[in-house]
Amino acid sequence: EAGVAQSPRYKIIEKRQSVAFWCNPISGHATLYWYQQILGQGPKLLIQFQNNGVVDDSQLPKDRFSAERLKGVDSTLKIQPAKLEDSAVYLCASSLTSMNTEAFFGQGTRLTVV
Amino acid sequence: AQSVTQLGSHVSVSEGALVLLRCNYSSSVPPYLFWYVQYPNQGLQLLLKYTTGATLVKGINGFEAEFKKSETSFHLTKPSAHMSDAAEYFCAVTRNAGNMLTFGGGTRLMVKP
Repeated sequence: EAGVAQSPRYKIIEKRQSVAFWCNPISGHATLYWYQQILGQGPKLLIQFQNNGVVDDSQLPKDRFSAERLKGVDSTLKIQPAKLEDSAVYLCASSLTSMNTEAFFGQGTRLTVV
Repeated sequence: AQSVTQLGSHVSVSEGALVLLRCNYSSSVPPYLFWYVQYPNQGLQLLLKYTTGATLVKGINGFEAEFKKSETSFHLTKPSAHMSDAAEYFCAVTRNAGNMLTFGGGTRLMVKP
């Protein structure tokens, strides 16, 4: 069974530039999550999708971050414009449903903003 | 609101020694508790989880954890450390069986030969 795929693995951009990350969840998984993991900290949930609808985006900085899952399968997370404090690993995870099932994580995209 | 506190950002043990990683949580509702492991440049992998029922939970790679409601704890243990256990470990909690995980700050486990 293929796992959660994320690309790119690494990205370096200058502050005020824009960047986008892509995630393809495990086939058949209805629920998709984006987490931000700052160095030395635990992951923090940014947004949760159920199919193509947003379940929770309360911790997403909406002035600069956006995410979509238009067809209920793969998803993109965008940052525009990036700030130095956005340097982090962005993890995508998926689960079969939103209730009581294991979330599987991708390898993440490491973003460095200089 | 929920929160997770992992005591000790770094833990060092000798190979063959007991591993004990501490996790305390706060939750206004009965929690679902998880331990994840993260190897360098990898995503998180589920070690074990507590939902309901037996409070001693066994996971992969010889790890186990015990849910103690009176102490609001979910400490992770392994009787004998192996070099391959060196990684970062995260405790996490959810409410209402949902998968919106709240993670602790993590504990980096180092295993000395």
